[in-house]
Amino acid sequence: DSGVTQTPKHLITATGQRVTLRCSPRSGDLSVYWYQQSLDQGLQFLIQYYNGEERAKGNILERFSAQQFPDLHSELNLSSLELGDSALYFCASSRTGDSGNTIYFGEGSWLTVV
Amino acid sequence: AQRVTQPEKLLSVFKGAPVELKCNYSYSGSPELFWYVQYSRQRLQLLLRHISRESIKGFTADLNKGETSFHLKKPFAQEEDSAMYYCALGTQGGSEKLVFGKGTKLTVNP
Repeated sequence: DSGVTQTPKHLITATGQRVTLRCSPRSGDLSVYWYQQSLDQGLQFLIQYYNGEERAKGNILERFSAQQFPDLHSELNLSSLELGDSALYFCASSRTGDSGNTIYFGEGSWLTVV
Repeated sequence: AQRVTQPEKLLSVFKGAPVELKCNYSYSGSPELFWYVQYSRQRLQLLLRHISRESIKGFTADLNKGETSFHLKKPFAQEEDSAMYYCALGTQGGSEKLVFGKGTKLTVNP
């Protein structure tokens, strides 16, 4: 158990809908990362938050947004869903987000868009 | 730009045989390299990182800056080593986001 908790584990929704994925980082970790894992694109970095502030942005679509709350949990919002958004979404956390910190991953949230 | 290349999508070996999973990176700064393992689409687990120079489950990896490589090796593969292996590059500059390779699926046959 990495200590990173993600909910829901599985989610099936229709195209055009909006979903929210939730992540609780390991105790004491200030940095949260979101990754998308799909069969054709592999593991793609989406976005990173550090202590409530956005720190780095990757290949995140405009239809997607994220935030980190004062209690350090994070949510990834996916809207106007398309079939191609079906993927495994991982949350990860690390202590400070600086170079040298190990990143620990959650179990992921399986999103299926039908 | 940072990039990680794992040239082999699939690698199949027999139990007891040596295994080497290749990883090459491209990064202008001082790299931090990691290997993560993923069993059956579960969460990614850190296998090892180059700065700790440790051996986990018999796996080792050496950073070769001249060849920009961080190949993962194990002298005697076991069936339970069958999994997806991802090489990852950690970047500097205030963010520890990881850039992943596309992964290599290792199958160890009995």
